[in-house]
Amino acid sequence: VMTQSPLSLSVTLGQPASISCRSSQSLVYSDGNIYLNWFQQRPGQSPRRLIYQISKRDSGVPDRFSGSGSGSDFTLKISRVEAEDVGLYYCLQGGLWPYTFGQGTRLEIK
Amino acid sequence: EVQLVESGGGLVQPGRSVRLSCVASGFKFDDYVMHWVRQAPGKGLECVSSITPRSDKVGYADSVRGRFTISRDNAKRSLYLQMSSLRAEDTALYYCVKDAPKGSIDHWGQGTLVTVSS
Repeated sequence: VMTQSPLSLSVTLGQPASISCRSSQSLVYSDGNIYLNWFQQRPGQSPRRLIYQISKRDSGVPDRFSGSGSGSDFTLKISRVEAEDVGLYYCLQGGLWPYTFGQGTRLEIK
Repeated sequence: EVQLVESGGGLVQPGRSVRLSCVASGFKFDDYVMHWVRQAPGKGLECVSSITPRSDKVGYADSVRGRFTISRDNAKRSLYLQMSSLRAEDTALYYCVKDAPKGSIDHWGQGTLVTVSS
């Protein structure tokens, strides 16, 4: 089970934001790797991957987004929130089938 | 450019069946695991089913096991989800999703909406 917190976040433009994702068990897969991803879903759009393998940023993703963590505890940080960051954020474990998502965190602008 | 186009959704009565389809383009379809991920209205994401490139392994979420069947036709670059014994709680936008190396997902379709209601 993937548990995100907070479930809702209201942030002033230009301020940082942080989302936690905790797994009920270690995500270290049999090959020694951790397959933890972060997705963003803007209103009315399909989800888009931001981060894979804990901290690797996808092409085109602004460097204000960063991922970190280990074992069963992971974090997505936005260094300076912009208006285009409004939406839902999900963590995903991809080490075991079925892949499982966190409940989602809604980010809004204060 | 990777494209995933779903179809087959609509209004379905409880207990009935429906088959979703997804046509893929822009990548070598038969090299990749594929998934169906759903999102109930106002809710989060759930990976309901997955299938390996040669269909030798399939997987299901507990919520749909025994009622849904995933399949693929590599020659037609198509992914399918046969949904039976539908319930109101199966109402959702169903996304066709491409797997990515190292336990990830990298491309999503626009989704097809299934509404289960009498």
